[in-house]
Parts: sequence; C-alpha cells; structure tokens
Amino acid sequence: NAGVTQTPKFQVLKTGQSMTLQCAQDMNHNSMYWYRQDPGMGLRLIYYSASEGTTDKGEVPNGYNVSRLNKREFSLRLESAAPSQTSVYFCASSLSTTGGGQPQHFGDGTRLSIL
Amino acid sequence: QKEVEQNSGPLSVPEGAIASLNCTYSDRGSQSFFWYRQYSGKSPELIMSIYSNGDKEDGRFTAQLNKASQYVSLLIRDSQPSDSATYLCAVSATNKLIFGTGTLLAVQP
Repeated sequence: NAGVTQTPKFQVLKTGQSMTLQCAQDMNHNSMYWYRQDPGMGLRLIYYSASEGTTDKGEVPNGYNVSRLNKREFSLRLESAAPSQTSVYFCASSLSTTGGGQPQHFGDGTRLSIL
Repeated sequence: QKEVEQNSGPLSVPEGAIASLNCTYSDRGSQSFFWYRQYSGKSPELIMSIYSNGDKEDGRFTAQLNKASQYVSLLIRDSQPSDSATYLCAVSATNKLIFGTGTLLAVQP
C-alpha cells in the first residue's frame, strides 16, 4: 500500500541540465498534481492532470513540462534547470475528476538543488 | 494582499490546551476550505475540510468557517506534543486551490 511514490528523493543538478521527476500512485485516483514548496511562498501548483492524456497549467508552469503517461503515472520534466527551480517538489493525487480539487494524498517529496 | 494569509507563528501552547489557528482569504467567491498538517521534513496531510458556515468537528479537531468575515480557523483541543507541526490553510475558488504559507504550532510538554 504505497500511496504516492516519488523518485528521486534528492537530486543536485547544474544549471542547464535536464531531469525528470517521476510519480506514481496506486489508489486509482483520477487527478494528479505537481507542486513546489519554497520557504515563505507556500505550496504552488505547477501542473495538474484530471485524467490520462490531459494536462493543465497551474500557477507556476514556466520552465516545466509534464506527461500523464497513464492513470498511475505523472512525470515532471525540467528541460534546462535554473537556480530559481531549487525547491521541494511534491506530487499529489485525488479522486477528483476535474483536477481543480484538493489533493488528498502527497508523495514524500523530491528535494532538488540547482547549482 | 495575499490571497490566503496565515500568521507564520510559532504558536506555542502548553500540552492539554486548545490551539487556535487562523486563516483569512481574499476571494469572496471561495467555496471550499481545507486544513493540511505538515510535519517538519515531511509531506502535507489533509486533515479537515469545510464547505459551509459554522463548525465541523472531527475528533479533537474543529474547523470553523465564517464566509461573511472571510476567515476559517482550526481548533485543536487537548493539544499533544505530537500535534507540533505546520498547519496549512487552503482555499478553493473557481477551480483553483490556493495555499497559505502555514502556521507553525509548538505544543510544549
């Protein structure tokens, strides 16, 4: 009973490098989300997906791309990492079919540092 | 003005006391309100939701909503050291969920 699983847990990148954060959920949830959390800024939505094959921009989508590979998996890609993308990234899921609802379950987070 | 505002704290209460956490929001069209708990270094956990004016109780937790005054609060009765965490308020309007920056609660044994 894993819930929401994120990989990797930690990553250090150099400016300009690319990487993909992976997320999978085993609760048969419809909606999945990617958030970033920065000190003093709260959780901010990057992208979300209400169903397989659909994705929508959140509050801070610039510099990111996402893929909803199937109902279980939702990945976040940084094409050319910048120091401003240093953050803690959380994947989350919910039963919502609209994608705009509240996340019910979060993964453990990925702590990403960009030098 | 931030869309969702919380006092960052820390709010320090003795064990067994009532902890009162407050949140104000700016969008009068907001319909749904949530409280998340986040332990240090961990991910947020949804603990309460409230949709209509008044109180909603769940165990030691009570959420209170006043749409006219645009505030939502979370009361924790009989506070325990294990309640020490950051509490995030989230407000939903027009299919968009906005989080506050959280209030750090410290329950002193």
